[in-house]
Amino acid sequence: GAGVSQSPSNKVTEKGKDVELRCDPISGHTALYWYRQSLGQGLEFLIYFQGNSAPDKSGLPSDRFSAERTGGSVSTLTIQRTQQEDSAVYLCASSPALDRALETQYFGPGTRLLVL
Amino acid sequence: GEDVEQSLFLSVREGDSSVINCTYTDSSSTYLYWYKQEPGAGLQLLTYIFSNMDMKQDQRLTVLLNKKDKHLSLRIADTQTGDSAIYFCAEKDNYGQNFVFGPGTRLSVLP
Repeated sequence: GAGVSQSPSNKVTEKGKDVELRCDPISGHTALYWYRQSLGQGLEFLIYFQGNSAPDKSGLPSDRFSAERTGGSVSTLTIQRTQQEDSAVYLCASSPALDRALETQYFGPGTRLLVL
Repeated sequence: GEDVEQSLFLSVREGDSSVINCTYTDSSSTYLYWYKQEPGAGLQLLTYIFSNMDMKQDQRLTVLLNKKDKHLSLRIADTQTGDSAIYFCAEKDNYGQNFVFGPGTRLSVLP
């Protein structure tokens, strides 16, 4: 079956512009995560959606970052007034969350964002 | 806060064994994971271990856990060029919702 997909795969933008990154999770997966991977860095947690619960936004680095998940499926991560330090790979992961103890994440290929 | 550390680089010769090490600080960590990231791809779950286990073997992969020292290792036997990738250690406690990832170890396999 189809895995997690993300679009665009690459995005180049100018400083100060807004960008939207899209994630299509695996059908039926109730949990969805966004991470940021900067060059040479590990994964930085950004936001977590679980079903209809309020999202955990504790990882968002500033109020320029926001995310939505419509209908419990597709998610959009929006970065307003982009800065050069926002350049990174943005990874999305989904999970069936059937077993909370073993919440295996399935990752998408990521969106590579470059802010000039 | 929780922290996961790994060495950033490892080079091995093809056919040798690779050992990738990870240390973590969260004593309540219940589940520990190894992910593999190939160039241009997302992370792929390789294996996981529960904190009540000392060892888990899966084909060429052996995971060792020293809970007392909060040390996790991944051994890859007979390392192949296709094993070249970045390997991430991650931990998650039974109460939290978030995974904490290490910075990743870039494994280079030399012919």
